[in-house]
Amino acid sequence: NAGVTQTPKFRVLKTGQSMTLLCAQDMNHEYMYWYRQDPGMGLRLIHYSVGEGTTAKGEVPDGYNVSRLKKQNFLLGLESAAPSQTSVYFCASSSDYSPLHFGNGTRLTVT
Amino acid sequence: GQQLNQSPQSMFIQEGEDVSMNCTSSSIFNTWLWYKQDPGEGPVLLIALYKAGELTSNGRLTAQFGITRKDSFLNISASIPSDVGIYFCAGRLIYNQGGKLIFGQGTELSVKP
Repeated sequence: NAGVTQTPKFRVLKTGQSMTLLCAQDMNHEYMYWYRQDPGMGLRLIHYSVGEGTTAKGEVPDGYNVSRLKKQNFLLGLESAAPSQTSVYFCASSSDYSPLHFGNGTRLTVT
Repeated sequence: GQQLNQSPQSMFIQEGEDVSMNCTSSSIFNTWLWYKQDPGEGPVLLIALYKAGELTSNGRLTAQFGITRKDSFLNISASIPSDVGIYFCAGRLIYNQGGKLIFGQGTELSVKP
């Protein structure tokens, strides 16, 4: 029972490089989310999706793009990484009957 | 935007002591959740609250959904070393937005054996 799986676990990028973080859930949840966690700031919502083919902006969407082509996957893209995007990124999923379940995070460093 | 104020930001306690932390907001929530995060892992759900005034326990943990719908607290009794971690409150607004949650800033708990 995998739950929410994030890949990769760690990544180091140079400023200006691009990358995609992958999130997969096997619980048939409708809703999926991407959060970033920074010291003293809790979890801040980047983008979210209420269903396959739909996405919406969260609290801190600038510099990120997302896609939800399949119900079980939610991709987070950084087109041109900046040092301010150094953070730990968490994916989560939920349904109307289930609270958020989180993955174990991706630690991203942008130099 | 909506905000949750979680306090305290950090706590240093002796093993066996009781712990209390809370979250407050100016907004009304229809769900309150409490999560714990261990180092290097994602947050894990501890307690979910769905009705104003609801008091729910999970072992040594007790949480309450404030009667005004604007606050919640979490108590841990007789703390043990494995209680160490960061505790987050999260609330879902009264107007459902696809289940979107707002998180508090977290309370970092340290327990001295």
